[in-house]
Order: sequence, then C-alpha cells, then structure tokens
Amino acid sequence: GAGVSQSPSNKVTEKGKDVELRCDPISGHTALYWYRQSLGQGLEFLIYFQGNSAPDKSGLPSDRFSAERTGGSVSTLTIQRTQQEDSAVYLCASSGRGRSSYEQYFGPGTRLTVT
Amino acid sequence: RKEVEQDPGPFNVPEGATVAFNCTYSNSASQSFFWYRQDCRKEPKLLMSVYSSGNEDGRFTAQLNRASQYISLLIRDSKLSDSATYLCVVISGSARQLTFGSGTQLTVLP
Repeated sequence: GAGVSQSPSNKVTEKGKDVELRCDPISGHTALYWYRQSLGQGLEFLIYFQGNSAPDKSGLPSDRFSAERTGGSVSTLTIQRTQQEDSAVYLCASSGRGRSSYEQYFGPGTRLTVT
Repeated sequence: RKEVEQDPGPFNVPEGATVAFNCTYSNSASQSFFWYRQDCRKEPKLLMSVYSSGNEDGRFTAQLNRASQYISLLIRDSKLSDSATYLCVVISGSARQLTFGSGTQLTVLP
C-alpha cells in the first residue's frame, strides 16, 4: 500500500516568507508526527497528533511554527517569517494502533532551504 | 546530558565483519526502544524493535540492558548494503514521541 507522502520534496524560500509543508499519512494510521533534521544532526521532535486529541506541541521551537491536521488525516506544518536557521529536512511520520503504534513510518521529507 | 546518546562513529569495517553499536538513555522510565536505519539523504526506516529479552532478526541482534540503561545492536557478517546511519530510538512518556539518538555511521568496505 501507499506509504507516507510529503510535498513539496524541496522548497527554497526567502527569509521572512511563510511556507506550508504537507503530509499525507498512511491510510488508517491514527497518529502523525512532525520532526526536523538539520544537516548531520539527529531528528528533533516538533509536534504529535493522535486521533481527535489535542496535539502535543511541546517540540515546536517558536510561535512561528504551527501545524494542523484536518479530518484526522492530512497535516500541514506552517512556518511563518522563515529564518535561515529553519533550513532543514522536515519529516512526517505516522503510526497505527496497539503495539504497532510505537512503530513509526516516515515520509521522504521536505528539504527546506531559507536563503 | 542528552536523553539518548550514541557514538557517532564512523565505523569502517570490512565485509563479513561483526560490528556492534551501543546507545545509552537517561530516562529510567523509558518504555520502548528501537533501532532505525537511515541511508544518506533518505528518511529513517524501522530496522527492529528491542525487547527486554533481546531479539534477533537474521544477522541483526538487539539487546536491552535496563539496569545500565543501554541498548545494543550487533550486525554479523556485514554486507556492503549495511552501510548507513543507525539511529537509536527511545520512547518515554505517554505522548509516544520518539527521542532519536544522533546516529552511528557505518561503512562496510569491500
């Protein structure tokens, strides 16, 4: 079946512009996560959605970052007034129910470059 | 101290060698542990879960030592295709957010 998809695959934007990154999770997966990975670094947790519960936003680095998940499926991560330090690969992951809820499947990521 | 720490490597080993990676975690209440593999400029992919009793999947063996708060990954008879970065992943808390180590880079040489 289809895996997690993300769009765009690459985004170059000017400093100060807003960007929107999209994630389509695996069908039926109730949990959705956003991470970012800077060059040569590990993954940094950003935000977590589980079903209809309030999202866990504890990883968002500033109020310029926000995310929503519509209809329990597609999610959009928005970065307002982008800064150069926002340049990174933004990865989305989803997971299912029960024990498999701990096993996350990642999309290919969106490579964001802020110039 | 980082929540999850790994030796970044790089580990350069010849084909056929056995190589082991360790990963330490700081939160004694951590619940679940995984190894992910990440190829260059690709997304992480789940390699294997780590169970308390230890588990094996082909050439790969994962072990957990709760007393010392570390997990390990052993790769036997390494192949060129094993070259990748191996990420240690720990789940703590009810949010089920994964905490990733920064990864250990492995290169298997012909």
